[in-house]
Amino acid sequence: SQTIHQWPATLVQPVGSPLSLECTVEGTSNPNLYWYRQAAGRGLQLLFYSVGIGQISSEVPQNLSASRPQDRQFILSSKKLLLSDSGFYLCAWSGRDRYNEQFFGPGTRLTVL
Amino acid sequence: AQSVTQLGSHVSVSEGALVLLRCNYSSSVPPYLFWYVQYPNQGLQLLLKYTSAATLVKGINGFEAEFKKSETSFHLTKPSAHMSDAAEYFCAVSTYTGGFKTIFGAGTRLFVKA
Repeated sequence: SQTIHQWPATLVQPVGSPLSLECTVEGTSNPNLYWYRQAAGRGLQLLFYSVGIGQISSEVPQNLSASRPQDRQFILSSKKLLLSDSGFYLCAWSGRDRYNEQFFGPGTRLTVL
Repeated sequence: AQSVTQLGSHVSVSEGALVLLRCNYSSSVPPYLFWYVQYPNQGLQLLLKYTSAATLVKGINGFEAEFKKSETSFHLTKPSAHMSDAAEYFCAVSTYTGGFKTIFGAGTRLFVKA
């Protein structure tokens, strides 16, 4: 069966510090991968998605970036965090069928102070 | 382009009462529709999905939803609410022509009163 991992689970970082969040998927190959953010009390905001290694599409301009160095690894990064980057970050994957059903990881709670 | 509207950001029901969470979608092509549940500080978990087979879809934890094309709706229901149903619920839509993106509604937080 497929599983998706995210780490760390929680993170507290000072403003201006760098960020690296990692997501890995097991049990499937060539998945579509996604990064979402949930600000407090708000819905899901799609940040990035990837249909293959090295292929990244950005949905919202910001100081975050994403990379996909391996088929089942997706990394969210920032060089300098802002207060507004605080939130709950979710990684998800979907298969190559037409339905695009997405499967979510457990999330990372990021607090920028 | 497709879109999703969830009516009511907060819904409160008594334990044992009917749960009804509303979702309307917009799509120019046949949609695939999903309901997800999110418990605090956790990821989203799929409750049920409509993929153009039966219009009445049964999911986990006693939830079901009915696809009504004429009303462009996909409301989520459960006959009797349980305290453990308190969570946030998201309706989502994707289409075969929509690429690899799924559009999520803003979410509805369900409160269950004892």
